Amino acid sequence: GAGVSQSPRYKVAKRGQDVALRCDPISGHVSLFWYQQALGQGPEFLTYFQNEAQLDKSGLPSDRFFAERPEGSVSTLKIQRTQQEDSAVYLCASSRVRGEQYFGPGTRLTVT
Amino acid sequence: DQQVKQNSPSLSVQEGRISILNCDYTNSMFDYFLWYKKYPAEGPTFLISISSIKDKNEDGRFTVFLNKSAKHLSLHIVPSQPGDSAVYFCAASQGGSEKLVFGKGMKLTVNP
Repeated sequence: GAGVSQSPRYKVAKRGQDVALRCDPISGHVSLFWYQQALGQGPEFLTYFQNEAQLDKSGLPSDRFFAERPEGSVSTLKIQRTQQEDSAVYLCASSRVRGEQYFGPGTRLTVT
Repeated sequence: DQQVKQNSPSLSVQEGRISILNCDYTNSMFDYFLWYKKYPAEGPTFLISISSIKDKNEDGRFTVFLNKSAKHLSLHIVPSQPGDSAVYFCAASQGGSEKLVFGKGMKLTVNP
């Protein structure tokens, strides 16, 4: 498909486990964003890449969260030693220029 | 500290009538505003945007109005259709940063 894809769509992790969430942006989109959406809230910014460079990681809540985009295309958000408060939907978005961002369907993470 | 506020959690309108969704912001550095629509289990979908140099932008049934002095924007949907039933998010960004700051969202229900 031509849209942003994310995998897995659903992930259940036991507290303390590490998880890795994948994002495939729209081909040719330079910018890639990760957001966290808690239940009943709007998406909250986590981090942003332009090509392979991570330009802003000010929204990452702790050093347990790590994101990479080594070849400027696919990105992975990794959460180490998951906690219950990490339970949320993780959204990835990409854009070609500043302006509208195109979102994937999200990964719903549940930490038990 | 919510920089983008959607103070009404829900709105219900009759098919064919106008829907007006409101959004307030506190950061005077915001210069670009967007509206997204979200269906359950899907990512947000871009609807319409407006730059701070304009006070109105129209796209089909959707019009966004920006009042910079009041730090207020609104989305008008005319005529409303049952397929417009979704959660709507207002978002903003400021020059020099591509990250979006979202409101909490508002659930619109359009009754047939």
